[in-house]
Amino acid sequence: GDSVTQMEGPVTLSEEAFLTINCTYTATGYPSLFWYVQYPGEGLQLLLKATKADDKGSNKGFEATYRKETTSFHLEKGSVQVSDSAVYFCALSDPGNRDDKIIFGKGTRLHILP
Amino acid sequence: EAGVAQSPRYKIIEKRQSVAFWCNPISGHATLYWYQQILGQGPKLLIQFQNNGVVDDSQLPKDRFSAERLKGVDSTLKIQPAKLEDSAVYLCASSLHQKNIQYFGAGTRLSVL
Repeated sequence: GDSVTQMEGPVTLSEEAFLTINCTYTATGYPSLFWYVQYPGEGLQLLLKATKADDKGSNKGFEATYRKETTSFHLEKGSVQVSDSAVYFCALSDPGNRDDKIIFGKGTRLHILP
Repeated sequence: EAGVAQSPRYKIIEKRQSVAFWCNPISGHATLYWYQQILGQGPKLLIQFQNNGVVDDSQLPKDRFSAERLKGVDSTLKIQPAKLEDSAVYLCASSLHQKNIQYFGAGTRLSVL
């Protein structure tokens, strides 16, 4: 079945460092890919998405490119801030399914030190 | 626009007790979801409603979990009786229709002792 694998955390970086959180997926169809972020004490928020190969999703300085050849959707940011500290979830949704079930990875906790 | 509301935020119970969670989705959203998020894992879909009908409950442990959305608006999720392994955050989400972006509530953190 469909699945998402993302790098384990926690990831600890200094402010203004470059961030990469790796994500790979397995899907039978052509899924849509997402990154969600969960700030402390809050629910999940959609950070960015990409719906087809070579699409780049971007938001708040974060980017991720849908790579069909490597089945990857790595999250990047050029200069992180303390306020980026959160848990990041990679996820997919297979539009070939009747419903829009989202399959989440296990999450990667990010700590940014001032 | 008000977001997805959930209550309570926290609940502590002993095993074999019963517990209920409430969710009020964003106004006008036809689709409502309940997820279970165990510590260190991603959310897992328990049940999905389209208006007041169940679309998918394949991952819902039906011997102890139940959910309803009688009027197609707010929803309750019940666990009876609770087990230790039910300790988790229970997230509610809603979307305008199926295949639209899902908006999540802050969740209810359940601790079963």
